[in-house]
Amino acid sequence: EAQVTQNPRYLITVTGKKLTVTCSQNMNHEYMSWYRQDPGLGLRQIYYSMNVEVTDKGDVPEGYKVSRKEKRNFPLILESPSPNQTSLYFCASSLGSQAPNTEAFFGQGTRLTVV
Amino acid sequence: AQSVTQLGSHVSVSEGALVLLRCNYSSSVPPYLFWYVQYPNQGLQLLLKYTTGATLVKGINGFEAEFKKSETSFHLTKPSAHMSDAAEYFCAVRGTGTASKLTFGTGTRLQVML
Repeated sequence: EAQVTQNPRYLITVTGKKLTVTCSQNMNHEYMSWYRQDPGLGLRQIYYSMNVEVTDKGDVPEGYKVSRKEKRNFPLILESPSPNQTSLYFCASSLGSQAPNTEAFFGQGTRLTVV
Repeated sequence: AQSVTQLGSHVSVSEGALVLLRCNYSSSVPPYLFWYVQYPNQGLQLLLKYTTGATLVKGINGFEAEFKKSETSFHLTKPSAHMSDAAEYFCAVRGTGTASKLTFGTGTRLQVML
């Protein structure tokens, strides 16, 4: 089954404690991205990757890092989380610029609370 | 730059009534347009998409949307609402010249009342 898998689904952490949210896709997609969803703001892109070892900032990259060492995995790293990073996070993947008319597939989301 | 505006953060309809969720886009190139649905505690699921060709697009669960270039709109409709349609709906646009980025609207929460 084609899917994007995020872990964990729920996470409560304390300010300043480094954390990683994992994302993996099994569709051989080139393009992967991270979004955060906040009430009234919709989904905003944090970082994206067009292929292995190619990553770039989205609209709200401050306080986040990513890496793309393998095509299937795209972890999101918060080096020093702060309460304003409390949000619902989604990983997504798609075929990329080769097929812009195709949809993105989303993970189930990670609800992060930073206290 | 591309953008999406969804009018109405909350829409309430009675079961059996028409559902109309509004989406207007801005794009400097011919756009690809998408509607996604998010049920509680779940990820986003594709409802339908417009790429090229027929401007009236049919999706899952009885939803459809019409691409109107002159109005830069892509409104989502369903003739008869069902309780199971209660969810949040997001309109998104992707321009052909961009690095595959999807730009989302702020979402519309649909409530269906008995």
